[in-house]
Amino acid sequence: AQSVTQLGSHVSVSEGALVLLRCNYSSSVPPYLFWYVQYPNQGLQLLLKYTSAATLVKGINGFEAEFKKSETSFHLTKPSAHMSDAAEYFCAVRVQGAQKLVFGQGTRLTINP
Amino acid sequence: EAQVTQNPRYLITVTGKKLTVTCSQNMNHEYMSWYRQDPGLGLRQIYYSMNVEVTDKGDVPEGYKVSRKEKRNFPLILESPSPNQTSLYFCASSFLGGQGGEKLFFGSGTQLSVL
Repeated sequence: AQSVTQLGSHVSVSEGALVLLRCNYSSSVPPYLFWYVQYPNQGLQLLLKYTSAATLVKGINGFEAEFKKSETSFHLTKPSAHMSDAAEYFCAVRVQGAQKLVFGQGTRLTINP
Repeated sequence: EAQVTQNPRYLITVTGKKLTVTCSQNMNHEYMSWYRQDPGLGLRQIYYSMNVEVTDKGDVPEGYKVSRKEKRNFPLILESPSPNQTSLYFCASSFLGGQGGEKLFFGSGTQLSVL
């Protein structure tokens, strides 16, 4: 069965610093991978997704993620953090041909001024 | 505006008192799903529906019921709520048809407290 593990339930960075949120997946078949963001008191919004095209995926708000099959990873990065990036981030995996989306535990990102 | 609408936003109830959380989408999506979000556990799927009158259990279905009589609506029913169902609930929807790369649209959530 597919699963995702997000390393670090809380990440804190300074404004302007690199953001790196880690996600490792487990899937016996090629997966679809997603990053969703949840701002306070809101539902989840899609940040970006990998669907077996380019391994480097660019999303909204300057975020990007790289699919690395050899490392079974799909880490999320942003070169320069902004205060508005403070939110909870969820990595998710879906097996091709299936509808079930499996979420990781979430990583809360805090931005320090 | 394309959206998934959940009601109510906040709900406090007592053990055993039946309640329904409504979910409606205006995007003509075939697929709808309910999740619960708990600290440290991420989102876990409760039930999902592939189309009208087609529903199936997710990972944590115990204590919940759903129905899909119309394409746009997917209510979540707690027949006899218990304190362990205190959680933040999300409804989500998407198109079917691709190989699974479709984006999920989420409602704003329902914070349920069962006393």
